[in-house]
Amino acid sequence: AQSVTQLDSQVPVFEEAPVELRCNYSSSVSVYLFWYVQYPNQGLQLLLKYLSGSTLVESINGFEAEFNKSQTSFHLRKPSVHISDTAEYFCAVTPMNRDDKIIFGKGTRLHILP
Amino acid sequence: KAGVTQTPRYLIKTRGQQVTLSCSPISGHRSVSWYQQTPGQGLQFLFEYFSETQRNKGNFPGRFSGRQFSNSRSEMNVSTLELGDSALYLCASSLDPSGYEQFFGPGTRLTVL
Repeated sequence: AQSVTQLDSQVPVFEEAPVELRCNYSSSVSVYLFWYVQYPNQGLQLLLKYLSGSTLVESINGFEAEFNKSQTSFHLRKPSVHISDTAEYFCAVTPMNRDDKIIFGKGTRLHILP
Repeated sequence: KAGVTQTPRYLIKTRGQQVTLSCSPISGHRSVSWYQQTPGQGLQFLFEYFSETQRNKGNFPGRFSGRQFSNSRSEMNVSTLELGDSALYLCASSLDPSGYEQFFGPGTRLTVL
């Protein structure tokens, strides 16, 4: 079975400052990793995913995440946040063989301070 | 291509009543999953359907049930509602169970009074 831990339930950060949202996972099999974002009053949207290949993956809006197998982490980073990044971010994992369901972390609420 | 649609968007019920929520997946997607989202518990998996069969089930009581139709549309039912069932219920679709990316609908906000 897999599990996901998002270490921070809330992260306040000033606009234009860098941010890191932490995610650690546990699994006995190889996994795919995801970050989803949920804007207020909306469903979840896929932000980025790690399937294979380069351990650094990027989204179109400036976020990036790095898969670290030895530390079983998939932290999300952005060098300069904008007020529009205010949202809840969910880390998720699913086994590559897809025999089991996707598991989500409890989410990290990103607060952008003016 | 239209996204995942969920109806209704908002619902208010009283304890003891039952409720049915509907989800229409993206055209061509055959796998539908349901989640309950609450501030305290985050996203909790309810069940997954593929080809009208329940493929996976989360740890919820039998009051929570679902089904999938031949056109891949899905419904979930909650009977004998409790106050703690108040939540955002999210539906997600994917091409099939091996599809790793899920596409979420906007959710149905259920309030139980």
